[in-house]
Amino acid sequence: GAGVSQTPSNKVTEKGKYVELRCDPISGHTALYWYRQSLGQGPEFLIYFQGTGAADDSGLPNDRFFAVRPEGSVSTLKIQRTERGDSAVYLCASSAPDKYNEQFFGPGTRLTVL
Amino acid sequence: AQSVAQPEDQVNVAEGNPLTVKCTYSVSGNPYLFWYVQYPNRGLQFLLKYITGDNLVKGSYGFEAEFNKSQTSFHLKKPSALVSDSALYFCAVRDVGNFNKFYFGSGTKLNVKP
Repeated sequence: GAGVSQTPSNKVTEKGKYVELRCDPISGHTALYWYRQSLGQGPEFLIYFQGTGAADDSGLPNDRFFAVRPEGSVSTLKIQRTERGDSAVYLCASSAPDKYNEQFFGPGTRLTVL
Repeated sequence: AQSVAQPEDQVNVAEGNPLTVKCTYSVSGNPYLFWYVQYPNRGLQFLLKYITGDNLVKGSYGFEAEFNKSQTSFHLKKPSALVSDSALYFCAVRDVGNFNKFYFGSGTKLNVKP
């Protein structure tokens, strides 16, 4: 079946611009996670959704970052006034209600802020 | 706070030889430990997990991991390496106080040479 998909695969933007990154989780997966992976590092937790609500957004670095999941499926990570330090690969993962210990990751969106 | 450490940036092994990728953890309480593999341009894939029970956990693609409480380690192993095992491997731990959060290590690049 279809896995987690993320669009775009690559995004190049200029400092100060606004960007949106999209995640389509596996159908039926109620939990959705966003991570950020900088070069040479492991994924860093950003935010977790259970259904439509952001159950835990403690990993968002500042108020320029925001994420939504209005219908409990697709999620969008929004970054305002991008900075060069935001450049990273943004990963999305989802998990099934009865297998919350096993996350399925998307291929990521590589964001480059010039 | 929970954390994992992967002391080796890179591990080189010849095809057919056993491999070990090291991980140590720091957790206040009983750890939930995971291994993921990342192939180029693909999302992280779940390999195996330790929640409770047997210290030797078997996972996908012939991999296994040994949980050692006294050494606070969770090393990934395979009896006979394949060239196709070459990839980036991440150890992760689930936050004991907040099950929504996972902490990943910095990754170990495994190179299996023919």
